[in-house]
Amino acid sequence: KQEVTQIPAALSVPEGENLVLNCSFTDSAIYNLQWFRQDPGKGLTSLLLIQSSQREQTSGRLNASLDKSSGRSTLYIAASQPGDSATYLCAVFPSNTGKLIFGQGTTLQVKP
Amino acid sequence: DTAVSQTPKYLVTQMGNDKSIKCEQNLGHDTMYWYKQDSKKFLKIMFSYNNKELIINETVPNRFSPKSPDKAHLNLHINSLELGDSAVYFCASSHLSGTGVGYTFGSGTRLTVV
Repeated sequence: KQEVTQIPAALSVPEGENLVLNCSFTDSAIYNLQWFRQDPGKGLTSLLLIQSSQREQTSGRLNASLDKSSGRSTLYIAASQPGDSATYLCAVFPSNTGKLIFGQGTTLQVKP
Repeated sequence: DTAVSQTPKYLVTQMGNDKSIKCEQNLGHDTMYWYKQDSKKFLKIMFSYNNKELIINETVPNRFSPKSPDKAHLNLHINSLELGDSAVYFCASSHLSGTGVGYTFGSGTRLTVV
């Protein structure tokens, strides 16, 4: 059974810091992995999607890596800003299941 | 230009009542989903419909019944509400249901059962 774990559960950093959010999954048979952002009272916004054959994806200040064999992904946020404050969710799409399996998220607070 | 819209945004109701949450997408996606986010923030899939056909039905109480009148709508009806049903319910849609690509989520419905 696929399980997704995110560490840490919460993180508070001063503005300008580079930071890393971690995601691990128990079954390496995945089709892809996605990082989402969730703002309070709002839906989820897809940030980055990494296909199983890829090792990383970049979008602006965000970089996500994937190591399928070890069941790990990291989301790197460069030069963090207060506007980055949100909950970040990692989700894997296991092959042939048709559903995303989410971790419990990391709640990030970036202080001005 | 809301892509996936859910109504209502907030729902407070008493135990034992029956309630519905509506979802509509204007993206032309052929697959729609209901996810439940509990108090610990875990998001878990409940149902998935592809072109009005149920394709995923996770282990949820049969008090929960999805209905898809057409591929742009997926409603969730809940009978005999219980305290443990309190959660945030997210509707989502995607094209290419077998790839996990292109998910778009609604803003959620916060259900509180008192």
